[in-house]
This record gives sequence, C-alpha cells and structure tokens, in this order.
Amino acid sequence: GNSVTQMEGPVTLSEEAFLTINCTYTATGYPSLFWYVQYPGEGLQLLLKATKADDKGSNKGFEATYRKETTSFHLEKGSVQVSDSAVYFCALGGTGANNLFFGTGTRLTVIP
Amino acid sequence: ETGVTQTPRHLVMGMTNKKSLKCEQHLGHNAMYWYKQSAKKPLELMFVYSLEERVENNSVPSRFSPECPNSSHLFLHLHTLQPEDSALYLCASSHFRGLNTGELFFGEGSRLTVL
Repeated sequence: GNSVTQMEGPVTLSEEAFLTINCTYTATGYPSLFWYVQYPGEGLQLLLKATKADDKGSNKGFEATYRKETTSFHLEKGSVQVSDSAVYFCALGGTGANNLFFGTGTRLTVIP
Repeated sequence: ETGVTQTPRHLVMGMTNKKSLKCEQHLGHNAMYWYKQSAKKPLELMFVYSLEERVENNSVPSRFSPECPNSSHLFLHLHTLQPEDSALYLCASSHFRGLNTGELFFGEGSRLTVL
C-alpha cells in the first residue's frame, strides 16, 4: 500500500541555517509527491509538488526533488527565516478517490 | 469570504452530546473531504464527497456521520463520541478527480475536545 515516512522532529534551527526534512515513500505505480505547510493556527496549504521522477518542485525558496531510485522527496531550503516556523507535511498522491497520504508532520522552529 | 471556512473553531462536548461541524468552500470546487489530525499521527482521511456523493469512507465509526447537501457545504455530525476522538478536524476541497492537480485547499480546522 501507499505510505509516507518523514523525520519526526521537532527541528530547531537558527535563522539563515540550512534546512533538510527527510521524506521517503512506499507506493505502487508512479504517484505525485507533495509538501504541505501548516502555519500556526492555520490549515494546511500546498508548498510544492512534483509529478514524476527527477522533477524538482520549488516555492518560496524551498525545493524537493522526486528521487525514484531512493523513493525520497526531501525538503530543503538554503537559508531559513523565522517566518518559516511551521509544521511541514510530506504527502503522496493516491489513486481512486482523489486523496492524499500524509506523513506525521515535522515541526520546524526557527530562532532569531 | 474566500477559501475554506470551518465553524466552530473550537468545540468542547460531553460523550452524550450531539454536535455538528460545518465546512463551507467558496472556490467552486466539487470535491470535499474530512480529515482527522491527531498529534504524532499522519492525517487520517475520513470521508470524501465528489459531486455531493460519498465516494470514500475509511472505516470511520458510525458516531461520525457526514452530510454534503450541496457542493459548497459539508457537515460532520457527532454523536456519543469518545475521549480519543479529541483532535483537530480539517475540511478540504478540490476540483473533481478527473481535473485534479493533487492540490487540496484546507480550512483552519475545528479543534474538538471530548470530555
């Protein structure tokens, strides 16, 4: 079946540090992969996505590359800001009823 | 209003109460979802409605009862819940699956506490 495993966290970084949040997946077929972000007190919103192997999704300075050989979709940012503090969810696009399989979320706190 | 709106934002109820959560979307979508978000667990898909018909029910206990009267509104009726049902309930919407880009639009959630 489909599943996503992401690093648990929490992750605490200083401003301008490099960020990596690991995500690996198990899936049948060739799913799309997503990163969603949940800022405090808000719902989830799509951060970036990749629909096929070797695609790189990017947005707001964040990047993730769809690696089929390692079944991974790690999230990276070269220089984090305090405003990036949030919970980040890796997700895998399922088939059938148009739904997503989410990871457990990784809480990121960026300190000045 | 724009986006996906959920009410109430916070709800405290006893195990014998009956209450409802409401979700409204103003995005012109025709698929709507209920997810349950619990600490340290993946988001759990509960129900999916597409074109106002339920297309997925992920083995959710009958004490949760969804209702989708039209493509803009979704309800979750709650009855005789258990303390372990305490969680953040998220509503989301998207375009119909055939046009779907994989992007769901989420509301801010209803924080439910069952005493």
